[in-house]
Amino acid sequence: DIVMTQSPDSLAVSLGERATINCKSSQSVLYRSSNKNYLDWFQQKPGQSPKLLISWASTRESGVPDRFSGSGSGTDFTLTINSLQAEDVAIYYCQQFYRTPLTFGGGTRVEI
Amino acid sequence: QLQLQESGPGLVKPSETLSLTCTVSGDSISSSTFYWGWIRQPPGKGLEWIGSVYYSGDTYYSPSLKGRVTISVDTFKNQFFLRLTSVTAADTAIYYCARNKSGFYSSLKYWGQGTLATVSS
Repeated sequence: DIVMTQSPDSLAVSLGERATINCKSSQSVLYRSSNKNYLDWFQQKPGQSPKLLISWASTRESGVPDRFSGSGSGTDFTLTINSLQAEDVAIYYCQQFYRTPLTFGGGTRVEI
Repeated sequence: QLQLQESGPGLVKPSETLSLTCTVSGDSISSSTFYWGWIRQPPGKGLEWIGSVYYSGDTYYSPSLKGRVTISVDTFKNQFFLRLTSVTAADTAIYYCARNKSGFYSSLKYWGQGTLATVSS
């Protein structure tokens, strides 16, 4: 199985400041023939189902504010939330779909 | 607009079988290229992929649950199903159904609201 390791487990950020979440996979999730990273980022607010924020490591989903950005390739990835807003309080998960079983990181809780 | 809705008994006894249904509206489950999956989340914990099914019945399962899990589809009712046998307290979780963007190796774009299944005597 590809193990996804997120850091930190939680972080507190002031409103308007930047939050940075890291995700490391135990093996590369870069599919060389397409040059695509099979890595997504999800946001889960309390009592809600996960919401896809970023696909292919860096492509923001329609309707996702541009303060959310994803970067990285191969085994190391980052989700950045610029100018944190109160509504961004949530748990964020990375997930690989390069190989079965599909696996998720343990999550990072973002608080104000 | 695609909607997925999970349903099933909220309480299951240990050693029995958990059966859940995901009802799809706003799209045909027979649409080619999409896979329909189940993901679970124990209370206060992270996400675990269980498995996915194609309308033809082709399936992928997590090895950690293989042998206990069956995912099937009913194209006429536009539903797909999860069956998990020999449940224990460790199977207590919110169970979500979801659909990929396109093809199995793609993002889990659409999710249901989830249903809590508790294993307890």
